[in-house]
Amino acid sequence: AQSVTQLGSHVSVSEGALVLLRCNYSSSVPPYLFWYVQYPNQGLQLLLKYTSAATLVKGINGFEAEFKKSETSFHLTKPSAHMSDAAEYFCAVSDTGGFKTIFGAGTRLFVKA
Amino acid sequence: EAEVAQSPRYKITEKSQAVAFWCDPISGHATLYWYRQILGQGPELLVQFQDESVVDDSQLPKDRFSAERLKGVDSTLKIQPAELGDSAMYLCASSLAHNSGANVLTFGAGSRLTVL
Repeated sequence: AQSVTQLGSHVSVSEGALVLLRCNYSSSVPPYLFWYVQYPNQGLQLLLKYTSAATLVKGINGFEAEFKKSETSFHLTKPSAHMSDAAEYFCAVSDTGGFKTIFGAGTRLFVKA
Repeated sequence: EAEVAQSPRYKITEKSQAVAFWCDPISGHATLYWYRQILGQGPELLVQFQDESVVDDSQLPKDRFSAERLKGVDSTLKIQPAELGDSAMYLCASSLAHNSGANVLTFGAGSRLTVL
């Protein structure tokens, strides 16, 4: 069975600092991996996705994530945080059949001025 | 830009009452999902449709929840009777097809349910 673990329910950074949100996955088959972002009282929207084409994936708003098979990780990073990045971030995994997308518990990002 | 429409955005009801949520997916999207998101948690899949057929409802509490997508377009999720523990955000999402691992889900804004 597939699963996703997001380390840290809350992360706080200063504006301009590096953002690092951690995600580890478990999958018996090569996974597809996603990061979604959710702003208050809104649905989720896709930040980026990994589909085995390249291990470093670039997404919207300056975010990127690196797939590391040996560590079963797919951490999300951004070099310089903006106030507008404050939101909840969800890592998700689906199998190659794409039958089900499973979400992690989420990490809420706070950005301090 | 195409959106997934959901209504109502907010619903307050008393326990034991019936409640219904509606979702209109992006035109042409064959797959429709209903997720439940409890405060502080990630979305949990309740039911997944491919066109008008259910492909996964293993996590749907069938004693009180029902979902339908009669014409393979819009969908309704019903809860009867509502319980206090049903308070959550109900998210609808759609995608082009369910058999592609690179399947990107497009979410609606959600329906927030409060059961008193």
